[in-house]
This record gives sequence, structure tokens and C-alpha cells, in this order.
Amino acid sequence: DGGITQSPKYLFRKEGQNVTLSCEQNLNHDAMYWYRQDPGQGLRLIYYSQIVNDFQKGDIAEGYSVSREKKESFPLTVTSAQKNPTAFYLCASRDANRGRHRAQYFGPGTRLTVL
Amino acid sequence: AQSVSQHNHHVILSEAASLELGCNYSYGGTVNLFWYVQYPGQHLQLLLKYFSGDPLVKGIKGFEAEFIKSKFSFNLRKPSVQWSDTAEYFCAVTRSSNTGKLIFGQGTTLQVKP
Repeated sequence: DGGITQSPKYLFRKEGQNVTLSCEQNLNHDAMYWYRQDPGQGLRLIYYSQIVNDFQKGDIAEGYSVSREKKESFPLTVTSAQKNPTAFYLCASRDANRGRHRAQYFGPGTRLTVL
Repeated sequence: AQSVSQHNHHVILSEAASLELGCNYSYGGTVNLFWYVQYPGQHLQLLLKYFSGDPLVKGIKGFEAEFIKSKFSFNLRKPSVQWSDTAEYFCAVTRSSNTGKLIFGQGTTLQVKP
């Protein structure tokens, strides 16, 4: 069953702690993305990666870090420097190789709450 | 600033009513356009997309959208909504087919009353 998985579904963190959100895809997609969703603001791009071992900052990268050591995995770390980390985090992937006209497909999301 | 605007934040309709959700973007040049839907408790799903060609695109579940370049708009329509269409709808734009980076609107919550 192909798709994108994110874990955990719910995550609670104390202030001052770093936390890592998992994103795995078995769609053989090269490109992967992280967004955060806040009520009334839509989705905003945090980081994206078009190929293994390479990634770029999105619009709101401050306080976040990523790695892309494997094609199927793109974990996101929310650091203690992120001032307002409570949000719903969505991972997406896209088949960028089979022509340019490809949409992004999304995982189920992780809801992070900072206590 | 470059942006995507969805003017309707919360829409309430009765079943069988017609739907039109507005989406405007502020980019010049070539754009690719998308509508995504997020049903309660489910993944964000692609409803439809426009890359080129016929500006009237049809998507899943009876939805369609029309790209009007002169108005920088990509409004979503459905002739007759159902209770199961209750969801949050997002318009998104990308200017780069290479990176695929999406800029999203704020979202519109649609509530359909049975």
C-alpha cells in the first residue's frame, strides 16, 4: 500500500525540548516537503528537499532543521528556538522526475502541542 | 507581497445548493494552480489541478475550477453540494514546476447542512 506515513499522530513536548517528527514515503518520490498548518493561515512551507542529501529553507524555516539521508525519509526537528511550535505539521512528496506537471501528495500529519 | 487569497473563510450551505469558492493570486507569469480538500480527520487530498490548456478543469467528486488569467483567479465550483462535502478547502499556487513549492491560501471551511 503506497503512501506517506507520519508519526506520531499526536506529540506533546515541554518547552525547551527538541522533538523530531517522522515522515516516510514509499512512492519513490524524489521531492519532499514540510508544512505547518495553523488555523486561518493555511499551510506554510518550512523546508523542502528535491534530492537526497540536499534541502532548502522554505518561508518559515527559523527554529526548524531537517535531514535527507535517504530518499524515503525526511525527518523534521522542531528545536527549542522555535518560538511558537504548537501546530499541525504536514509532510508531502512529489514525483519530480516524471515530467514537471506533478502535484504534491500529503501525509496524515502530526499535531504537536508544547506544554 | 506575493500571495494567494481565499475570500470566503467560512461558508454554510444547504444540500443541493450551488458552491463557488473564490481564489485569487498575485503572481505574474506562468503559474500552476491546485485545489486541495481536507475532510474531517482525513489527509489533505488533491481535488483538481491546472497546468496548461483548457482553463476549465474537472476534478474528483463533481468539482470543477476555472482559471481566468486576466483576473488572476481560480475559483472552485460545484453545482449541487452534499453533506459529505463538508470540509476545509485550500487553493494553492506554484510558480516553479522544478521545485514544486506551493503557496497556500488561508483555507475556506465549508459546512453543508443536511
